[in-house]
Parts: sequence; C-alpha cells; structure tokens
Amino acid sequence: QQQVKQSPQSLIVQKGGISIINCAYENTAFDYFPWYQQFPGKGPALLIAIRPDVSEKKEGRFTISFNKSAKQFSLHIMDSQPGDSATYFCAAPGGYQKVTFGTGTKLQVIP
Amino acid sequence: SQTIHQWPATLVQPVGSPLSLECTVEGTSNPNLYWYRQAAGRGLQLLFYSVGIGQISSEVPQNLSASRPQDRQFILSSKKLLLSDSGFYLCAWSNRGNSGSPLHFGNGTRLTVT
Repeated sequence: QQQVKQSPQSLIVQKGGISIINCAYENTAFDYFPWYQQFPGKGPALLIAIRPDVSEKKEGRFTISFNKSAKQFSLHIMDSQPGDSATYFCAAPGGYQKVTFGTGTKLQVIP
Repeated sequence: SQTIHQWPATLVQPVGSPLSLECTVEGTSNPNLYWYRQAAGRGLQLLFYSVGIGQISSEVPQNLSASRPQDRQFILSSKKLLLSDSGFYLCAWSNRGNSGSPLHFGNGTRLTVT
C-alpha cells in the first residue's frame, strides 16, 4: 500500500508569514497529488492538486511544489492568515482509486 | 451539483450496542464510495471502499462492516461496538475511472462509545 509521510505534525506561523508543509511518497506510478484542508468538526476539502508533469502549481496564496526525482511534494501558503488555521493533509492515490493520506499538519496562524 | 449527506452528526452509544451510519450522494452516478475514520488529533484511516453496488473492499480488520445496497448509498455497521470504535467517521465519494478525481467528504459523524 502507498505510504505517505507528512511533516511537520504541527506548525505555528505569524500572520503574513509563509507556511510550508512537506510530503514524501513511495510509489512512482501515480499521477495526481492533492492537498486537503480540514477545519474542526468538518470533513476535509480539496485545496489544491498537482500532476507530476509540472513542477509547480499556484492558486492564489497556495502553491504546490513537486519534485518527482525525490518523490516529494510540498504545500506553501504565502501571506498566511488566521483563517488558514486548519489541519492540512497530503494524499496519494492507490489502486482502484484508494487514497492514502498523510498524517496531517495542524497549522495555527497567530496574529 | 453533487452533494453528500451523512448522518447522524453526533452519536453516543454504549459498548456492545449496534451501529448504523448512513451516507448518500446526490447529483452523480456510479461513484466510488469510501468510509474513513479519524481518531482525535490523528490522520485519516481508510476503512472501506466500494467501486459498485455490493462491491466492498475492507482495508483494516475490525469490528465494522460496510454495505452498498444502492448506487449512491453507503452504510457502515457494527453488531457490537467497542470503546476503540470511538472516532470521527467520514464518508466520501469520487468519480469512478478517473485517477485524477478528488475525494468529496461529508461533514462526518462524531461517535462516542461509552
């Protein structure tokens, strides 16, 4: 089964700073790498995703960077805001569209 | 537009009692369906997934079972709950046959077994 290692487990960032979360995966056969955002008491929601034929994808303040040779992808949140405080999960698809999630990063953005 | 409904939102059950959580999806056909469990402050553990009616794959040996009696209905059950079954249960769907399809989650059921 696909293993996904996510770090750090928790992160505290000042408002306006950059939040960086990293993920490493094992299997190179897959073609879709999403990040999900989860607020307390809610289900996760897709935030941004990348395909490995590009090295970077940017949507507003959120950027995914993908390093295929290192089997790593990361989420960068620029100009972090208190409203970004949530738990973030990376994920990697498996057979039959099974998705394995990273262990999650709890982000707290302080004013 | 597609929507996913999951109920109840919270549930408190005694040890040894049965469980039935239901999830339905609207606005799409032939979805893949999933049950995940999230322990407090922990990651998402895939429990079951289904690619069609009556087709259930179990990821983790446990006290739970799942059924898919209709194309857009997914049910999570237990005959006798254990304390360790407490957690946040999430149902999700994705488009079938598309490796680039994201998961769409419901708002979960918070289960406390006492």
